[in-house]
Amino acid sequence: SQQGEEDPQALSIQEGENATMNCSYKTSINNLQWYRQNSGRGLVHLILIRSNEREKHSGRLRVTLDTSKKSSSLLITASRAADTASYFCATDYTGTASKLTFGTGTRLQVTL
Amino acid sequence: ETGVTQSPTHLIKTRGQQVTLRCSSQSGHNTVSWYQQALGQGPQFIFQYYREEENGRGNFPPRFSGLQFPNYSSELNVNALELDDSALYLCASSLGLAGGFREQFFGPGTRLTVL
Repeated sequence: SQQGEEDPQALSIQEGENATMNCSYKTSINNLQWYRQNSGRGLVHLILIRSNEREKHSGRLRVTLDTSKKSSSLLITASRAADTASYFCATDYTGTASKLTFGTGTRLQVTL
Repeated sequence: ETGVTQSPTHLIKTRGQQVTLRCSSQSGHNTVSWYQQALGQGPQFIFQYYREEENGRGNFPPRFSGLQFPNYSSELNVNALELDDSALYLCASSLGLAGGFREQFFGPGTRLTVL
């Protein structure tokens, strides 16, 4: 079963706009990670945020975590066509990356 | 440093057959995890191998089995294939289990179609 859900399921924006996607999860976690997947192929790790952190930045990515609401958001600023992909959040209960539990994903389409 | 590789890329089987999928972990990594990703869904954890021993299993029946070799490459075997086994199978390698986060590096996946 999936840990939670991403919202929205699909998002279409124009190049240069910001894209925000949200993730909800069900149980306590050690950390939460965001992954990107192009065209149903392998996953690429984007960013990790630990349960005691509230916000983290990496380049054009900004991730927030609200453990009281069991939710996280991923913001991609100044989006590019190359950002078109599916984005998944994944939670880790053990802190050792031994078992990632993924959400259902957000499909992002960035048009020129 | 080579990344995670998987073979074959695509595979078509019929219901009731058996299949073996292969994964070569990234150089220096001793842990391999397998995930099943159905169309339109997020990946689901099948099991993990650490130093040739199974270390954790998800909610999958015993007909899903695995193996890890001394060079840390791994196989996923599925017996008595069912139509619902059609999915993208991903393997991910990482280094060790001891304390703290260890990033998992994913392979490109094997697309299995069961007819």
